[in-house]
Amino acid sequence: DARVTQTPRHKVTEMGQEVTMRCQPILGHNTVFWYRQTMMQGLELLAYFRNRAPLDDSGMPKDRFSAEMPDATLATLKIQPSEPRDSAVYFCASGLRGSRSGELFFGEGSRLTVL
Amino acid sequence: AQKVTQAQTEISVVEKEDVTLDCVYETRDTTYYLFWYKQPPSGELVFLIRRNSFDEQNEISGRYSWNFQKSTSSFNFTITASQVVDSAVYFCALARSGNTPLVFGKGTRLSVIA
Repeated sequence: DARVTQTPRHKVTEMGQEVTMRCQPILGHNTVFWYRQTMMQGLELLAYFRNRAPLDDSGMPKDRFSAEMPDATLATLKIQPSEPRDSAVYFCASGLRGSRSGELFFGEGSRLTVL
Repeated sequence: AQKVTQAQTEISVVEKEDVTLDCVYETRDTTYYLFWYKQPPSGELVFLIRRNSFDEQNEISGRYSWNFQKSTSSFNFTITASQVVDSAVYFCALARSGNTPLVFGKGTRLSVIA
């Protein structure tokens, strides 16, 4: 059963610490998205990649956030330094351009708490 | 700019009632896709349906049905004979094309009471 895998599922850290979240997209999928979910803002796009190239990261605070795809099986989202306002659930999703359903498959999310 | 509005923040129904979740969207694109996702209490996002702007046929899948009306820019979702397991947050979303970023509405929290 193919699925998007995210680690860690939960992370509690202190303000100022570096946080790295990882995502393993479904094998063969060529598009990867990072979303952030908060009560106030809902689901917001942070960044997305196609064939490992970043296409849009305009939703990401550039001074502290960075997103990369070192290879086709791994996407990372890094926050340095973290702040309490970064507390949220971070979702990774993958999809295949040209697929019939157009479905994006979401991981279970990484719940981040910054104290 | 694209925008999705789900005016109903929370809905509560008694089991076996029918319930409709509203979704209104804004886009300047002539071609676009509309989606519904379900987020149960466990937190994952589950795909329910995708519709493209060329296809205004209503769709039915079991107890779920969707009504797409371009004239009113709406893509409403109806659950017939609701069940407790339907309790979740439901998101409507809009995308420019397949596998481009989704713009989500704020979601509607549905509670089905036994």
